[in-house]
Amino acid sequence: DAKTTQPNSMESNEEEPVHLPCNHSTISGTDYIHWYRQLPSQGPEYVIHGLTSNVNNRMASLAIAEDRKSSTLILHRATLRDAAVYYCILRRGAGSYQLTFGKGTKLSVIP
Amino acid sequence: NAGVMQNPRHLVRRRGQEARLRCSPMKGHSHVYWYRQLPEEGLKFMVYLQKENIIDESGMPKERFSAEFPKEGPSILRIQQVVRGDSAAYFCASSPEGIPNTEAFFGQGTRLTVV
Repeated sequence: DAKTTQPNSMESNEEEPVHLPCNHSTISGTDYIHWYRQLPSQGPEYVIHGLTSNVNNRMASLAIAEDRKSSTLILHRATLRDAAVYYCILRRGAGSYQLTFGKGTKLSVIP
Repeated sequence: NAGVMQNPRHLVRRRGQEARLRCSPMKGHSHVYWYRQLPEEGLKFMVYLQKENIIDESGMPKERFSAEFPKEGPSILRIQQVVRGDSAAYFCASSPEGIPNTEAFFGQGTRLTVV
């Protein structure tokens, strides 16, 4: 599976936007980009996913670079509840069914 | 529509005992995945099952660990003769299909402590 690289940690002030980067320079044409997050003592939670175009949902936006070698998860207005570890995961388009979690980015939200 | 249900939430076993972890997928989901998370580490894939079939168990330790997903009832992750190193959080996820353009739904996990 292609690997992803994320910063170990980031900080954000409450009610400000947060941009969480992810590099995936070896991404293949059939790899979907998924984001999950894990709040303390809870199971992972799906956030968003995309293939080539930018995506928006009620939780976040996903901006995918034109060459697909990087992406950015955007939380438009961070709340204390958004403090979590955020995982950027590539999921192959064919013959793949598992999510391979890396170390993710630990996001701290400052009140 | 209830989410993925795992039980028990916490399980304490003495070394050498057996641990049985149960996972009921979301209604309509026939694909189940088990992950293990050791303290302060990321989630590691263990096994992927569909009803009555093990599709991929490449992440399962070779001994003492087994998983099943019967036609009726929950998926079971079974750990025989537990050791201290088995202490971890075990998460189950389910999805309606096994293709990449779907999301997986995770349960709250079972925290196993081996004493």
